[in-house]
Amino acid sequence: TQLLEQSPQFLSIQEGENLTVYCNSSSVFSSLQWYRQEPGEGPVLLVTVVTGGEVKKLKRLTFQFGDARKDSSLHITAAQPGDTGLYLCAGESGGGADGLTFGKGTHLIIQP
Amino acid sequence: ETGVTQTPRHLVMGMTNKKSLKCEQHLGHNAMYWYKQSAKKPLELMFVYSLEERVENNSVPSRFSPECPNSSHLFLHLHTLQPEDSALYLCASSPLPLAGGMDTQYFGPGTRLTVL
Repeated sequence: TQLLEQSPQFLSIQEGENLTVYCNSSSVFSSLQWYRQEPGEGPVLLVTVVTGGEVKKLKRLTFQFGDARKDSSLHITAAQPGDTGLYLCAGESGGGADGLTFGKGTHLIIQP
Repeated sequence: ETGVTQTPRHLVMGMTNKKSLKCEQHLGHNAMYWYKQSAKKPLELMFVYSLEERVENNSVPSRFSPECPNSSHLFLHLHTLQPEDSALYLCASSPLPLAGGMDTQYFGPGTRLTVL
């Protein structure tokens, strides 16, 4: 069974601070996706990383895929209250309609 | 309407009721999924339909019965559920890439189900 461990589980920081959340596994994934989910809504895709060592930036968010494609990190610079939400990582292990393996998520609260 | 829609958004049912959840995708995708999201647990994949054929079951109890009449619609029929089945049920769709290709799933807003 493939597992994705996300840490920390909960994080509450002040507006303007920087933070990093992690997604780790003992399994190799062909791609890894990060989603943000707000209360009462479904997850919304932020980014997909495919190549080991890949770094992608989305405004103040920086995503990195580990060299071995087993782990990933999300770094947020100068966090804003609008960044508040549940951040989920999900791994894809094969091609086709296999579904995704999700972590439990990191609950992030940015206080004004 | 665009994206993936789900109805109803909220549902309260008794253990003896029969109800159905509906999902519709307007993205032209060929694969659709049902996930269950419970508190303190990762999203759990329940069912996968690829080109309208079920390809994965994941040992879901028979009180959950999926139906995919066409590539745009997906249903989850519910009967004699248990209180522990209370959760957010999410539908997703994906374009179904060629084998080995990257897949991207797009989620609906979910149905919040409460079983009394």
